[in-house]
This record gives sequence, C-alpha cells and structure tokens, in this order.
Amino acid sequence: GENVEQHPSTLSVQEGDSAVIKCTYSDSASNYFPWYKQELGKGPQLIIDIRSNVGEKKDQRIAVTLNKTAKHFSLHITETQPEDSAVYFCAATSNTGNQFYFGTGTSLTVIP
Amino acid sequence: NAGVTQTPKFRILKIGQSMTLQCTQDMNHNYMYWYRQDPGMGLKLIYYSVGAGITDKGEVPNGYNVSRSTTEDFPLRLELAAPSQTSVYFCASSREGGNQPQHFGDGTRLSIL
Repeated sequence: GENVEQHPSTLSVQEGDSAVIKCTYSDSASNYFPWYKQELGKGPQLIIDIRSNVGEKKDQRIAVTLNKTAKHFSLHITETQPEDSAVYFCAATSNTGNQFYFGTGTSLTVIP
Repeated sequence: NAGVTQTPKFRILKIGQSMTLQCTQDMNHNYMYWYRQDPGMGLKLIYYSVGAGITDKGEVPNGYNVSRSTTEDFPLRLELAAPSQTSVYFCASSREGGNQPQHFGDGTRLSIL
C-alpha cells in the first residue's frame, strides 16, 4: 500500500513569517493530495487539495505544490497568523482506491 | 449544515464492555469511513462503506464491526473493549471514493480502563 511521510512533526514560526510542511508518498498511482487542518477537539477540515494534473494551487495565503517525479508535495502558508496554529495532515490516494493514507501530522505554532 | 455528526463525544469503558459509536451524515454521501487517531500516528482506517449494505475492512479492523443499513448512518461497534482501543475515533464521508475530499465529524474520545 501507499506510505506517506510528513515533516516536520512540530513547527514554530513568528507571526507574519511563512511556514512550509512537506510530505512524500511512495505509490506512483496516487493522484489526489488533500491537506487537512485539525484544531484542538475538532475533526480534520479540508483546507486545500491538489490533483496530479497540476503542479501548484493557491488559495489566498495557502498554496500547495506537487512534484510527481520526486513524489513529494508541500503546503505553504504565508503571512502566518495565530489562528493558523493547529495540526496539519497531508494525505494521498488514487482514483481507483477507497483509502486515504495520512501523514503523521505537523503541529504548527504561530507565535504572536 | 450539520455535516457529519458523531455521538457520544466522550466515553469511558471498562475492559470487556461493548459499545456502539454513532455516525450520521446529512450530505447524501455514498462513502463513509471510520478512522482512529492515536498520538503521533496520524489517522488509520478501520472500516469503510461504499454504500448502504456494503462494508469493507481498512488497515486496522480487528476488534471492530460496522454495518450500513442506510445511506445516512454508519455505526462502529466495539464488542470486547481492550485498552489498546483507547483512542479518538473519527467518522468521515465523501460523495464518492477515490479522489474526492472527505468530510469529518468532531470525533469520539474513548478511554478503556
């Protein structure tokens, strides 16, 4: 099956700085890569996703990049704010599979 | 917009007891999933369902059972609770499988003592 690795496990940044979280995957058949944000006591919420037919996608301060050749994808958050503090998970799946494979999460702390 | 609703939010069980975690969704999604989340381990799939009457095992199904009699509901059953089942359980749903986003409930925190 698929194996998704996520780094770093914890990340602290000053408010206004950028944060980058990286994930690698093993299965070349994977073609959908969502990112989830999980706040304390809540379930994961989808914040952005990317499909294998594009290399980059942006949504305001959040962007995701995908390198299919190297099998890695990254989440970029610019101009970080305290409310960005949460645990972020990456995941990978394919359109023929029914299972998402999740990374182990990154705890992001934005220091005011 | 209720989305995915899980009950209860918290529960403490004794070893050997049984219980059912409830999950319901109001988005008319075909696919539903049960995950467990352990500290530092991400989310692991327990069972999933592609529609009413159809269920299948995920990565970590041992000690659990599911049923899917309606599109809306997907309960998870623990028959003989063990300390290793102490975890946070999340239910999710998606319109279809594969490369469709999953929508999560807020979880059930379960402790087995």
